[in-house]
Amino acid sequence: GENVEQHPSTLSVQEGDSAVIKCTYSDSASNYFPWYKQELGKGPQLIIDIRSNVGEKKDQRIAVTLNKTAKHFSLHITETQPEDSAVYFCAASPLSGGYNKLIFGAGTRLAVHP
Amino acid sequence: NAGVTQTPKFQVLKTGQSMTLQCAQDMNHNSMYWYRQDPGMGLRLIYYSASEGTTDKGEVPNGYNVSRLNKREFSLRLESAAPSQTSVYFCASSDGTARTHEQYFGPGTRLTVT
Repeated sequence: GENVEQHPSTLSVQEGDSAVIKCTYSDSASNYFPWYKQELGKGPQLIIDIRSNVGEKKDQRIAVTLNKTAKHFSLHITETQPEDSAVYFCAASPLSGGYNKLIFGAGTRLAVHP
Repeated sequence: NAGVTQTPKFQVLKTGQSMTLQCAQDMNHNSMYWYRQDPGMGLRLIYYSASEGTTDKGEVPNGYNVSRLNKREFSLRLESAAPSQTSVYFCASSDGTARTHEQYFGPGTRLTVT
């Protein structure tokens, strides 16, 4: 089955710096790669996703890149702000019809210091 | 529009006791999911329901049962709780069509088994 590894487990940056979180996956059949943000005491929330037919996707200060050959994808956050502090999870899924079984990475705790 | 709701928020059980975690969504979603979240392990899929009337095992189904009561509700039952089931449980739902694959998560249930 699919296995997703995520690095680093913790990341500390100064406000305004960039943050990069990396994930690798094992199943070449996976074709959908979402990123979720989890704030303290809340459920995860989707922030960006990418499908395997796209190499890069941007949404304001966040971007995701995908390298299918190497089976890795990354989350890039530019101009970080204190409100970006949270736990971030990557996931991979072989889309099957309309629903998807997500396999999550272990998470990265990002701390943005003012 | 409450999204995904879960009850209870907190629960303490003794080993061997049973309980049911309730989940409901008001977004008319077809697919629903149960995850558990443990430190350093991300979220792991316990069971999912691709559509009303169907349920399937995820990564870690042992010790759990589910019921898709109707389109809105998806419950998770622990028949004989064990300390290894101490975790935070999240319910999620998704549209279940190819239009979008975003999963919406509830606020979680923190379960402790002593």
